[in-house]
Amino acid sequence: KAGVTQTPRYLIKTRGQQVTLSCSPISGHRSVSWYQQTPGQGLQFLFEYFSETQRNKGNFPGRFSGRQFSNSRSEMNVSTLELGDSALYLCASSSNSGAAYEQYFGPGTRLTVT
Amino acid sequence: KQEVTQIPAALSVPEGENLVLNCSFTDSAIYNLQWFRQDPGKGLTSLLLIQSSQREQTSGRLNASLDKSSGRSTLYIAASQPGDSATYLCAVTGNQFYFGTGTSLTVIP
Repeated sequence: KAGVTQTPRYLIKTRGQQVTLSCSPISGHRSVSWYQQTPGQGLQFLFEYFSETQRNKGNFPGRFSGRQFSNSRSEMNVSTLELGDSALYLCASSSNSGAAYEQYFGPGTRLTVT
Repeated sequence: KQEVTQIPAALSVPEGENLVLNCSFTDSAIYNLQWFRQDPGKGLTSLLLIQSSQREQTSGRLNASLDKSSGRSTLYIAASQPGDSATYLCAVTGNQFYFGTGTSLTVIP
């Protein structure tokens, strides 16, 4: 069974631009969660989508948004990029909604904002 | 808010040594606890998942224990190998995942 895939793997953007990251979950998984990882803050939860609905949201500004499609693929968008948005963005899929279910992580997208 | 702490932040051991990584959390109302491994610049690989009703889980040379009442978990690695060098993260689940800051492990050949 194929694992979680994320595209692109690396991205360089300029401050003020916007960016869209994509995540394809494991086949059959309906929940996708997004995380931001930085050296200073560690891994922080962004949001979770299940059946095309946002189920849970972390403490991030509205510039960070996401959506999920009917095939469970998910996209994350960051508008008006700031230097501090430079991070590794990880997505994880699970078979059902909620943190009680084991999560499987993708390789991440490394975003650099200059 | 759940706070997850991992001690030590970094650990260096000679090959073959047994070692213990620690994870503590402030809120015992969790569904489960999961240990992950992360290689530099890569995603997370799940190592062990302990349900809140369980006390421990084992996989090969790895053994993880959970004591909900004291808010602690340990990851025991037996007979360490250079390939075990990575950052180890624990995560506890309540309404969402809360990650610790990780322990960076170096196993010296």
